[in-house]
Amino acid sequence: GGIITQTPKFLIGQEGQKLTLKCQQNFNHDTMYWYRQDSGKGLRLIYYSITENDLQKGDLSEGYDASREKKSSFSLTVTSAQKNEMAVFLCASSRDWGSYEQYFGPGTRLTVL
Amino acid sequence: AQSVTQPDARVTVSEGASLQLRCKYSYSATPYLFWYVQYPRQGLQLLLKYYSGDPVVQGVNGFEAEFSKSNSSFHLRKASVHWSDSAVYFCAVNTGANTGKLTFGHGTILRVHP
Repeated sequence: GGIITQTPKFLIGQEGQKLTLKCQQNFNHDTMYWYRQDSGKGLRLIYYSITENDLQKGDLSEGYDASREKKSSFSLTVTSAQKNEMAVFLCASSRDWGSYEQYFGPGTRLTVL
Repeated sequence: AQSVTQPDARVTVSEGASLQLRCKYSYSATPYLFWYVQYPRQGLQLLLKYYSGDPVVQGVNGFEAEFSKSNSSFHLRKASVHWSDSAVYFCAVNTGANTGKLTFGHGTILRVHP
């Protein structure tokens, strides 16, 4: 077994601020994902990283940057936080790109004042 | 592109009642199908999956789902719900075309009255 840790659990920022969310997994998985969850809208893929040195844009990448520092960690940066933005950001990992099962972290809840 | 529809945003049932949560997908071939559950303040957990074979698949905690190719559906069922089943349930599909990308439905909020 393994676990995905996301930090921080809660993030409060100001409009225009650059904010970074972090994700660590100890599954030794190759592939990692960042999703945004909005109430009533399901999960939307922001960025993913197939292997340690890879970075791919998802469906919702505008306004975000990502970084795969090493195999076990994957960070997401909100480049300029939007006022009244509120969402949960979920990190996930899978054994590799061909593995369809994804394992999720508990999420970071973002509020922008 | 594939899509997933969960037509019921909210479902409320009494403890001990049976449950069906609906999921329909749009894809020309048979995708790989998943149900995930999200308990309050937690991430998503895999309940069950369908890749091929027997259209009825069993998951954890007494959940099962049935794949129907003719209806493009993958409905989730439980014979008798418990109050602890209250959570958000997501249906997801993967086209299997050598991609790890999942497409999620919007989720169904299940509330079980004790």
